[in-house]
Amino acid sequence: NAGVTQTPKFRILKIGQSMTLQCAQDMNHNYMYWYRQDPGMGLKLIYYSVGAGITDKGEVPNGYNVSRSTTEDFPLRLELAAPSQTSVYFCASRPGQGSGNTIYFGEGSWLTVV
Amino acid sequence: AQSVTQPDIHITVSEGASLELRCNYSYGATPYLFWYVQSPGQGLQLLLKYFSGDTLVQGIKGFEAEFKRSQSSFNLRKPSVHWSDAAEYFCAVARPLTGGGNKLTFGTGTQLKVEL
Repeated sequence: NAGVTQTPKFRILKIGQSMTLQCAQDMNHNYMYWYRQDPGMGLKLIYYSVGAGITDKGEVPNGYNVSRSTTEDFPLRLELAAPSQTSVYFCASRPGQGSGNTIYFGEGSWLTVV
Repeated sequence: AQSVTQPDIHITVSEGASLELRCNYSYGATPYLFWYVQSPGQGLQLLLKYFSGDTLVQGIKGFEAEFKRSQSSFNLRKPSVHWSDAAEYFCAVARPLTGGGNKLTFGTGTQLKVEL
């Protein structure tokens, strides 16, 4: 059971480049999330999804886009990378209603924009 | 709005000593509370959680936490720290999201250093 899988683990981007952080979970979870973690700032929610075809903004959505075409996948897109997007990104998923509130995290993706 | 405060940014303890990491939350309703641990270069791992019932919850790796509503606290404890416990610890509170699911709000973390 792989759980939540994120790729790539490390990436360096130039300003203005675009990229997609991939996230997949094999637990048939309905709810998926993208967080970013900055030093001394804790985790901030970027986008979340409550099921395939449904996404919504979190606290810090600017500069990002997401899609949820399948239950398993929840990619995060950076269209025009900026230095402020240098961060560690965590994807997470959660079972549906009645299954408790535990959120399972991927191992993180370290992104540097130069 | 909910918030989580971890007042200690860094804590250093000797191996074998007891540990208490502080967490205070602000939330209008009954909170769902969590402690996560993050080792260097790794993702977040759930240590324990509180939803309801017994206010003293047991977690993995010998950790426990006590929910105190009167103090709005959910402090993490361990009776005897091991060198492998050196990591960053995050407290979090969950609230329902519009349309379903829950949003976790995290504290800024406490970095634990263990001296041998």
